[in-house]
Amino acid sequence: EVQLVESGGGLVQPGRSLKLSCAASGFTFSNYYMAWVRQAPKKGLEWVATISTSGSRTYYPDSVKGRFTISRDNAKSSLYLQMNSLKSEDTATYYCARRLSYNYYFDYWGQGVMVTVSS
Amino acid sequence: EIVLTQSPTTMAASPGEKVTLTCRASSSVSYMHWYQQRSGTSPKLWIYETSKLASGVPNRFSGSGSGTSYSLTINSMETEDAATYYCQQGSSYPPMTFGGGTKLELK
Repeated sequence: EVQLVESGGGLVQPGRSLKLSCAASGFTFSNYYMAWVRQAPKKGLEWVATISTSGSRTYYPDSVKGRFTISRDNAKSSLYLQMNSLKSEDTATYYCARRLSYNYYFDYWGQGVMVTVSS
Repeated sequence: EIVLTQSPTTMAASPGEKVTLTCRASSSVSYMHWYQQRSGTSPKLWIYETSKLASGVPNRFSGSGSGTSYSLTINSMETEDAATYYCQQGSSYPPMTFGGGTKLELK
């Protein structure tokens, strides 16, 4: 069974940093692109970052480029999101999601982890 | 960036009623994908590549469309279909974009 379990969320002050993790199981992690998608409270979905199978290629929207870094450890079947210079508008539930390299949709999602940026 | 506009934003349907949700893209896309999100849970892939049902999705659901106009249809509304549905495109990427969602309620 495919499982994606996020961790590392919490309350953080504006301007500070936080690192999210996603533990994957039930599939060959290194065969899949992975991504982070977030959802602000009562709002829609926003794509945050994608990483290639080897980790050599990463992609971000302008809203987080230069502040967030996605990475992965295929030996540990783990995905990460380093978030720096956090802003109140980064407050959201962050989901880890899986996609095949040649498909541009997400076939499995984690349960999500909440990040609150507030003083 | 391709903007996806979903309509209606909210709607209510009675059991047995036919439901159609629409997603319009600001520029032409090759495929549209749809997700269902029930309250308090994470999104689930529902329809991919415009018309293919994800595993476990009932066949009362269907998807269609091309270019800038896509739709998700429920042939006969059931209680369990009450949820928010999001469309998503990856044709023009990055960025990958989502629509604002349609909240479907049971009447």
